This record gives sequence, structure tokens and C-alpha cells, in this order.
Amino acid sequence: DGGITQSPKYLFRKEGQNVTLSCEQNLNHDAMYWYRQDPGQGLRLIYYSQIVNDFQKGDIAEGYSVSREKKESFPLTVTSAQKNPTAFYLCASSRGRGHTGELFFGEGSRLTVL
Amino acid sequence: QQQVKQSPQSLIVQKGGIPIINCAYENTAFDYFPWYQQFPGKGPALLIAIRPDVSEKKEGRFTISFNKSAKQFSLHIMDSQPGDSATYFCAASTSGNTPLVFGKGTRLSVIA
Repeated sequence: DGGITQSPKYLFRKEGQNVTLSCEQNLNHDAMYWYRQDPGQGLRLIYYSQIVNDFQKGDIAEGYSVSREKKESFPLTVTSAQKNPTAFYLCASSRGRGHTGELFFGEGSRLTVL
Repeated sequence: QQQVKQSPQSLIVQKGGIPIINCAYENTAFDYFPWYQQFPGKGPALLIAIRPDVSEKKEGRFTISFNKSAKQFSLHIMDSQPGDSATYFCAASTSGNTPLVFGKGTRLSVIA
């Protein structure tokens, strides 16, 4: 079955540690996105990539980093510089390089900083 | 600055009722307006979308109404069911230029 796979589903980390969230898609989609979801805040864009080896900052990129070395993979690193990293992180992809196609979301990764 | 304002934050309706969720935007360059549905612990999924060349779009029990002059659009759910209980997000983007901007979401509960 085609789709978006995020791992791990739950992750705990100590303050000061970096952590990397995995996102893999087998839909052959060009564009991939990372959103952060907090209660009552909706979905806020962290980073997006429309093509391999290229990505752009979203609205809340500070404290995060990404890479896009392969079309099917778009990992997100939450660095120790992110002041409030506890959140639900969603990865998504879309077919074209524009932004008016359907977004397909993974099931999310819930990060808790202890 | 919040580009898409969504209301209400939460909504409770009886089974069979017609919940209405509203969104407003300021950027007149927006030309794509989707609604996403999210169940607890899952990622959102596209429910229905509209472009500004039409004022209404229906898909099953879900209808988007669009008012270009007022810069508002809304989601109506006809004959709502307990299975419709979820969080609904409106969003907007411009063709090919800007990623989707989401509203803050509306938590809908449909009670039997």
C-alpha cells in the first residue's frame, strides 16, 4: 500500500539532545512537508521541499533542520536549540511541486521532552 | 499574523444536525481552499476543496460555501453522525507559490 510512514510514533528525549524524526513516502511525490501541531494552534509549517536536494523554511523553522537526499525521504531533526519541542509532528507529501494539490499525511510522531 | 481565521474553536451538535464551521482570510491571492478532517491520533485527510470560481461545492454530506467578496468560506455537514466527530481544519494557498496555511481547527462532537 502506498503512503507516508513516520517513525517513531512516540519519542521521549532529554533536554539538550537532538532527535531525528523519519518520514518516508512511496507515492513518488515530488513535494514533502513537515508540520507541527499543538493544541489549539492548528498546523504550522516547519520546512518543505519541492525537489531533491532543495528545501525551504516554513513559518517556524528555528531550531529544526531537514535534508532531502532522496525523493522518498525527508527526515526532520529537532535540535537542542528548539525551545519548546514537545509537540505532535506531521509529515506530508503532494504530487506536484505546486501547493494546490492534495496533501497526504502520515500518522504523526509525538515528541515529549522530559 | 494569522492568515486564515477559523471559528468556532469547538462545536457540539446533536446527531442529524448541521454543524457549520467558518473561515476568513485576508490574502486575495489565495485561490485554493481545502478542508481537512483529522481523527484523534491520526494525520489529517483531505475532505473537500474549492477554488474561487465557484460559490459552492458538494461532496456527499459535505458542502463548502465560498463568498469571494467577503473573503470567507465555510463547511456544512448535512445530517451529521457521531462518526463525523473529529477536528476540522480549513486552509488556503496560492497556485504554485505558497504552501497551505491552516486555520487553528474546530473540534466537532456529534452526540447521539
